[in-house]
Amino acid sequence: SQKIEQNSEALNIQEGKTATLTCNYTNYSPAYLQWYRQDPGRGPVFLLLIRENEKEKRKERLKVTFDTTLKQSLFHITASQPADSATYLCALDPGAGGFKTIFGAGTRLFVKA
Amino acid sequence: NAGVTQTPKFQVLKTGQSMTLQCAQDMNHEYMSWYRQDPGMGLRLIHYSVGAGITDQGEVPNGYNVSRSTTEDFPLRLLLAAPSQTSVYFCASRNRHGELFFGEGSRLTVL
Repeated sequence: SQKIEQNSEALNIQEGKTATLTCNYTNYSPAYLQWYRQDPGRGPVFLLLIRENEKEKRKERLKVTFDTTLKQSLFHITASQPADSATYLCALDPGAGGFKTIFGAGTRLFVKA
Repeated sequence: NAGVTQTPKFQVLKTGQSMTLQCAQDMNHEYMSWYRQDPGMGLRLIHYSVGAGITDQGEVPNGYNVSRSTTEDFPLRLLLAAPSQTSVYFCASRNRHGELFFGEGSRLTVL
C-alpha cells in the first residue's frame, strides 16, 4: 500500500543541538514534498517545499533534503530552541495536479533548555 | 488578513444528528480541502475542490458531503453523525505554489 512513514517516537534533544527528522515513503514518485509544523490544538503551518529536482532546500535554521532514489526526506533544525518543540508533518502529492496531498502521522520534537 | 477561518471550534453531537462545519478563506485560492485528524493516523483527506462548482472525493469521503458555491466558502456536512466521526477537522486552501494554509480546526465529538 502507498504510505508515508515518520518516526512515531518523540525526539528529545538538548537546546543548541541539531534535530533531524526522517520521512520515508513508498510507491510514490512525488513531484515535490513538504514539511509542516503543528502545535498542540492548532492547525498545521507550512514550513518548506522541496521539488524532485532539488537535493536540498534551506530556510533560516531549517534544512530539507530529498532523495528520490531512497524515497526519503530529512528535515533538520540547527541550533534548536525550546520554541521549536512541536509536531512536524511530512506531506506529498501522490499524483499529477497536487490535489490529494497526503500526510505522515508526524514526529513530536521536544527541545530541552 | 484572516486566512482560513473555521467554525465552530468545538461541537458535541448525538448519534444521528446532522451539522455543517463552515470554512472560509480570503486569499482567493481556487483549491480547498477538508481533512480529519485522528491520534496516530495523521491527516486524512475527506473531500477537496479545485474551484467553485467542482468537488471530488478524497481518501475518507463516506458520511460527508461538500459543496462549493463560491471561491471563498467550502462547508462540510455530516448528515447522520456517528461516533466514528469524532475527530478534529481541518479545512485548508492551497496557493499556486502548492503550499497548504490550514484553519485552526473544529473539534467534533459524537456521542
